[in-house]
Amino acid sequence: EVQLVESGGGLVQPGGSLRLSCAASGFTVSSNYMSWVRQAPGKGLEWVSILYSGGFTYYAGSVKGRFTISRDNSKNTLYLQMNSLRAEDAAVYYCARDSINYDFSTETFYYYGMDVWGQGTTVTVSS
Amino acid sequence: QSVLTQPPSASGTPGQRVTISCSGSSSNIGSNTVNWYQQLPGTAPKLLFYSNDLRPSGVPDRFSGSKSGTSASLAISGLQSEDEADYYCAAWDDSLNGQVFGGGTKLAVL
Repeated sequence: EVQLVESGGGLVQPGGSLRLSCAASGFTVSSNYMSWVRQAPGKGLEWVSILYSGGFTYYAGSVKGRFTISRDNSKNTLYLQMNSLRAEDAAVYYCARDSINYDFSTETFYYYGMDVWGQGTTVTVSS
Repeated sequence: QSVLTQPPSASGTPGQRVTISCSGSSSNIGSNTVNWYQQLPGTAPKLLFYSNDLRPSGVPDRFSGSKSGTSASLAISGLQSEDEADYYCAAWDDSLNGQVFGGGTKLAVL
């Protein structure tokens, strides 16, 4: 069964750090694009970061320079290292698999959305 | 402030047809396909549509999607009580290199 399970959330003080984990089963993290998405209490979804299968990483402006996305191929796990946490970073953090296809003959990238989501892990930032 | 713009709420009675709009810009909807997500209360989002109008298996054909220019819409016909949820549009953004979301539309079935 294809599944994502997040862990590592919790209560942290402003300025503190936290590392979130996302364990995958049923598919290989390193062969896929993988994203983190967050949802602040009562708010909408916000894309946070993406890790390409080729290793490229990109971040939303709100977290750039503070968050780092990575993976451990041996553990088939995605991570999000969060430093210098602020009150506005408090949210449920979801990891998700990005469904993509690249047509090498036409050099066209096709994006089909996030087709697998974890259940989310809650990060609370408060003193 | 979300990158894509949706109305915050929509409503309808059982059996009615409801549409939810979504607008973006040339770097996202204007140059890429649109995806829609359904989020039931207390659960993770679920992919409802991809590539503008394609439904993953299991999504009823009461749901339909479309896109024109830098806008898109989701239509739900034969509204049912179980359709009450938050709906998010999303699209790949060429300037951010990730998928951006709308602010979400809370659908109430009256």
